[in-house]
Order: sequence, then C-alpha cells, then structure tokens
Amino acid sequence: GQQVMQIPQYQHVQEGEDFTTYCNSSTTLSNIQWYKQRPGGHPVFLIQLVKSGEVKKQKRLTFQFGEAKKNSSLHITATQTTDVGTYFCAGRDQGGSEKLVFGKGTKLTVNP
Amino acid sequence: EAGVAQSPRYKIIEKRQSVAFWCNPISGHATLYWYQQILGQGPKLLIQFQNNGVVDDSQLPKDRFSAERLKGVDSTLKIQPAKLEDSAVYLCASSLDLRYEQFFGPGTRLTVL
Repeated sequence: GQQVMQIPQYQHVQEGEDFTTYCNSSTTLSNIQWYKQRPGGHPVFLIQLVKSGEVKKQKRLTFQFGEAKKNSSLHITATQTTDVGTYFCAGRDQGGSEKLVFGKGTKLTVNP
Repeated sequence: EAGVAQSPRYKIIEKRQSVAFWCNPISGHATLYWYQQILGQGPKLLIQFQNNGVVDDSQLPKDRFSAERLKGVDSTLKIQPAKLEDSAVYLCASSLDLRYEQFFGPGTRLTVL
C-alpha cells in the first residue's frame, strides 16, 4: 500500500537557524497537505499543494511539491520558539483512493 | 465557528473492556474521519464517512472496532473488547467535503491496562 516517509525524524535547531523537512511518497500523489501539531495538541492544517512543481509561501514557511508529485518539502527560515512542534505531511494517492496517508512527522525543537 | 468536539478527553480501561468515543464535527462538514495516533507516529486513518456513508474503512480492525455516523452529523467509535495495543489518542476530524483541509478535534487519550 501507499507509504509516506518523512526525514528527519527529529531536528533540533538554535533560534534563528533554518529548518527543512522532507516528505517522500511510494506512489504518485494527487495532492499533499501539511499539518503542524504542537506538543499535547492536535494537528492543525497548514497548506495543500496540488500542482506539479508548486511552491507556496506563508511568511517564513515555504512549501514545495516535486515535479513528479512524489515528494514535498517544508522550509522554515529563521526559526522561532513558536515553531516548535511536529510537522506532518499527508498525501493522497493519485490512483483514486480518498484516503489521506500521514507520514510519521518531523519533531522540531528550537533552542532560544 | 465552533470546532470539532470530542468526548471524553481521557479514558482508562482494562483490557477486554469496551469503550466508546463521541465526535461532533463542524456544522455543515460532509466528511468525518476517525484517526488513531500512537505516540511518536502520524495519525492513521481508521474510517472515513461522507455524510452517513463509509468511504474508506480499510484500516479499521473490524473484529473489535466499529463506527457509525447516523443522520450524517455526529459519530461514535467503539472498541469491544480493547487490547493493550489500542492505547493511543483517537482523533476525530471533519472537512467541508472530500479533499478539503481537515479540522481536528482535541482527541481522546485512551489507556488500556
């Protein structure tokens, strides 16, 4: 079945450093969503990417969808302590399944 | 706008007991999801409803788990009997329709002893 893999599993940065998490799917995706989960909280939607090669920005966050629609990345510029949490990508297979498959997430900690 | 409501927030039971979780989605949302999130992992879809019909339940352990969404609004998820490996957070989410962003509830943390 479809698998979604994320690396790294953990990332610890100093405040002000950049951060990137990568997401790879075993199958071609129709779209990919990114969620953030704060410690003790629930996942919160960040963005959805649909088009091949799509790049979207939200303030310090940049999201990319690969040309082959099998990978994606999230880059945070100049991290802040408020960026702490686990970032999940979730992909929907292009083959027609309506199921969203989540990766295991990248846990980000920021040292002030 | 009110968010997704779930109850209870916490539940502790012994193995082989039964438990039920309740979810009320955001008003007007056609799609409702139940996820299981084990510590350190991403949410795993158990079942997905579109109105009151099941869209996907391929990962629901049907010998012990059941879910219903009567009248296409709120939903219940039941585990009977519970096993130790069912200890997890059970998240309910809803979306306006299929393929839209999902809004998650606070979750129910289940501990099976």
